[in-house]
Amino acid sequence: GNSVTQMEGPVTLSEEAFLTINCTYTATGYPSLFWYVQYPGEGLQLLLKATKADDKGSNKGFEATYRKETTSFHLEKGSVQVSDSAVYFCALSSGGSNYKLTFGKGTLLTVNP
Amino acid sequence: DAGVIQSPRHEVTEMGQEVTLRCKPISGHNSLFWYRQTMMRGLELLIYFNNNVPIDDSGMPEDRFSAKMPNASFSTLKIQPSEPRDSAVYFCASRNDRGVTEAFFGQGTRLTVV
Repeated sequence: GNSVTQMEGPVTLSEEAFLTINCTYTATGYPSLFWYVQYPGEGLQLLLKATKADDKGSNKGFEATYRKETTSFHLEKGSVQVSDSAVYFCALSSGGSNYKLTFGKGTLLTVNP
Repeated sequence: DAGVIQSPRHEVTEMGQEVTLRCKPISGHNSLFWYRQTMMRGLELLIYFNNNVPIDDSGMPEDRFSAKMPNASFSTLKIQPSEPRDSAVYFCASRNDRGVTEAFFGQGTRLTVV
């Protein structure tokens, strides 16, 4: 079946530091890949997505590139802010007749001033 | 659009009582998901509906849990009887599968069973 593995947290960084959260996946066919963010007390919000190999998703300074050869979709940001503190989830959506969403376990990011 | 609407936002109930969580998906979306989130187990998919039909309920913990989607604009998740280990945040999400777009999440229902 499909699965998503992302780096375990928590991750603690200082403001303006570089962020990488690793994500790898196992899926049949050609899934779409997503990063969601969850701020404290809220639901998950889509941060960015990529629907085919070599696509780069980007939003709010975050980027991730769909790498089919390494089955990866790592999240990066060049300079994090305190307001980026949240839990980040990598996810995939398989194709065919079953469009089930599969999530990783989430990575807690804390950015200190 | 108001987004995915869940009610109630918070629910505190006594062990053994019946609990019903409600979800109104985004209009026009044809898939609906119920998830449970806890510190120990993270985000777990409980059940997935497509065009109001349950497609995958393998994540439903046990017979105490049931979910229905009587029409395209409403779904319920029921726990009867509830137990303290059911305490969690329950999320509903909906998606338009025509094009495999992202899922949109509600704000969640925080359930506490005492």
